[in-house]
Amino acid sequence: GQQVMQIPQYQHVQEGEDFTTYCNSSTTLSNIQWYKQRPGGHPVFLIQLVKSGEVKKQKRLTFQFGEAKKNSSLHITATQTTDVGTYFCAPPEGGSQGNLIFGKGTKLSVKP
Amino acid sequence: DTGVSQDPRHKITKRGQNVTFRCDPISEHNRLYWYRQTLGQGPEFLTYFQNEAQLEKSRLLSDRFSAERPKGSFSTLEIQRTEQGDSAMYLCASSPQGVGDNEQFFGPGTRLTVL
Repeated sequence: GQQVMQIPQYQHVQEGEDFTTYCNSSTTLSNIQWYKQRPGGHPVFLIQLVKSGEVKKQKRLTFQFGEAKKNSSLHITATQTTDVGTYFCAPPEGGSQGNLIFGKGTKLSVKP
Repeated sequence: DTGVSQDPRHKITKRGQNVTFRCDPISEHNRLYWYRQTLGQGPEFLTYFQNEAQLEKSRLLSDRFSAERPKGSFSTLEIQRTEQGDSAMYLCASSPQGVGDNEQFFGPGTRLTVL
């Protein structure tokens, strides 16, 4: 079935360092969403990317959708302790009504 | 708070017992999803409702699992004859139907432990 691979699985950074997580799919995606899940919390929507090559920014977060719409990335500039959590990319399952396929995510820890 | 709510937040049961969870979505949302999440994994899709109609169900979902959304508002997820492998966090999410972002709003989840 359809799968997404996220790398790295874990990332430990010093506060102030940058962080990037990559999401790869074997199939072309119609769109992709990104979610953040804090420890002990539930997933919270960050953004949706739809267009080929799209780049969206939210303060220190930059999201990109690949030209071929098979990969995506999330970059955080100058991490803060509040960025701690697991970041998931989640494209919709092909042919579905919107149910999402989540990978294992990238777990980010930030050392103050 | 008008977010998605789930009840109970925690459930401990013995193997073989039946359990039922409830999800109250955001009131104007007509789409409702159930996911299951185990430690170290992302949420896994279980089933989806649009209003009261169950439109999609995961092929991986056992016949012991059933879900309803009788009036197109709240939903229930029942697991019959629970097994230890059913231990997980069960997440409910809702979203509005329409163009633009298809953001899903997740509830806090029900953590199930099967002894």
